[in-house]
Amino acid sequence: AQSVTQLDSQVPVFEEAPVELRCNYSSSVSVYLFWYVQYPNQGLQLLLKYLSGSTLVKGINGFEAEFNKSQTSFHLRKPSVHISDTAEYFCAVSYNQGGKLIFGQGTELSVKP
Amino acid sequence: GAGVSQSPSNKVTEKGKDVELRCDPISGHTALYWYRQSLGQGLEFLIYFQGNSAPDKSGLPSDRFSAERTGGSVSTLTIQRTQQEDSAVYLCASSPRDRVVYTEAFFGQGTRLTVV
Repeated sequence: AQSVTQLDSQVPVFEEAPVELRCNYSSSVSVYLFWYVQYPNQGLQLLLKYLSGSTLVKGINGFEAEFNKSQTSFHLRKPSVHISDTAEYFCAVSYNQGGKLIFGQGTELSVKP
Repeated sequence: GAGVSQSPSNKVTEKGKDVELRCDPISGHTALYWYRQSLGQGLEFLIYFQGNSAPDKSGLPSDRFSAERTGGSVSTLTIQRTQQEDSAVYLCASSPRDRVVYTEAFFGQGTRLTVV
């Protein structure tokens, strides 16, 4: 079955520290991968996406993610977080034949001063 | 408007009543999704419309749930005989899905449904 697993439900981190939010997906020949962010009381917005090409993808707000086909992972990273990065982060995948977006359970990033 | 519009933003209903949730996608977007987000949970896929193709209903949790998309634009999600476990935020998204290159989905603000 097609699935996305976000390994950490909550990630507390101090301001200016680096952070990695982990995402693994079930294997497939071709995938399209996304990270969405949901700030408190707001809708989801796209952070970054991998469609093809370079495996290192840069997104908004200084975030980046690396597509690793052999490990079926798409981990999200930021070298130095801000208080304003506190939000829920969702990894999502679309498989070639399905077309629908499948989301992980989300990771709550909490940045402390 | 420029974004995905959902109405109502909040809905409180009594157990056993039927509810209709509306989604107006971005003009020209051919793909439309419904998701459910329960407290502390991820986004649960409900249904996916793509152009004139038969919708993918594989995520609908029971036969009390149904959705229509009229004229390839506005969509209505209907929940019959609501139960307390139906309480959640229902999110709609649309995408200018191109069969060659997948593009992002744009989300509405959601409808918060509370069944009392």
